[in-house]
Amino acid sequence: DTAVSQTPKYLVTQMGNDKSIKCEQNLGHDTMYWYKQDSKKFLKIMFSYNNKELIINETVPNRFSPKSPDKAHLNLHINSLELGDSAVYFCASSQMGRAYEQYFGPGTRLTVT
Amino acid sequence: DAKTTQPTSMDCAEGRAANLPCNHSTISGNEYVYWYRQIHSQGPQYIIHGLKNNETNEMASLIITEDRKSSTLILPHATLRDTAVYYCIVRVEYGNKLVFGAGTILRVKS
Repeated sequence: DTAVSQTPKYLVTQMGNDKSIKCEQNLGHDTMYWYKQDSKKFLKIMFSYNNKELIINETVPNRFSPKSPDKAHLNLHINSLELGDSAVYFCASSQMGRAYEQYFGPGTRLTVT
Repeated sequence: DAKTTQPTSMDCAEGRAANLPCNHSTISGNEYVYWYRQIHSQGPQYIIHGLKNNETNEMASLIITEDRKSSTLILPHATLRDTAVYYCIVRVEYGNKLVFGAGTILRVKS
């Protein structure tokens, strides 16, 4: 009964490829997020969706495109992968009004070679 | 959101209380203090938050100074499983995002 799940857990791919990471939450939350944690371990928000609408879009290359088919899912598609995209990507969710209490997934470690 | 300052790392003996300080001298009146932790190879986990009163839950206690310029997260009986990076975050209650700093690496040792 995993609360926030991500697939895949590990992703190794070559530069220039396009890849997707999927996220699902079964908590009934209406807000979902994508974070990136780089090699220096800094965790930075990338996007946030509330009820399938984009509410946070940090300065992220437009090669990154989030898609929310419904409130329980927020997928991250990355085009033309670059070496600098290598990182751990975390999905999270929260209830609107309680954005301070976010539930994080286990992370997806993306390695671009 | 106000800036926070935390020690880079701390050690604690298993079974003893772990006291993690956070300085937030520029905190404004409508900003709360939130604590998260990240155990190795896992996503961050919410611990506790407070405005000005001390708070306690099943995981930890949060002590906020009267002037609100600093706070301390207390794990009353630290275990090896509490080894993690602990993040102190200051933000308004209904803000849309969390801004994580470098945090404090807490090592609980037997």
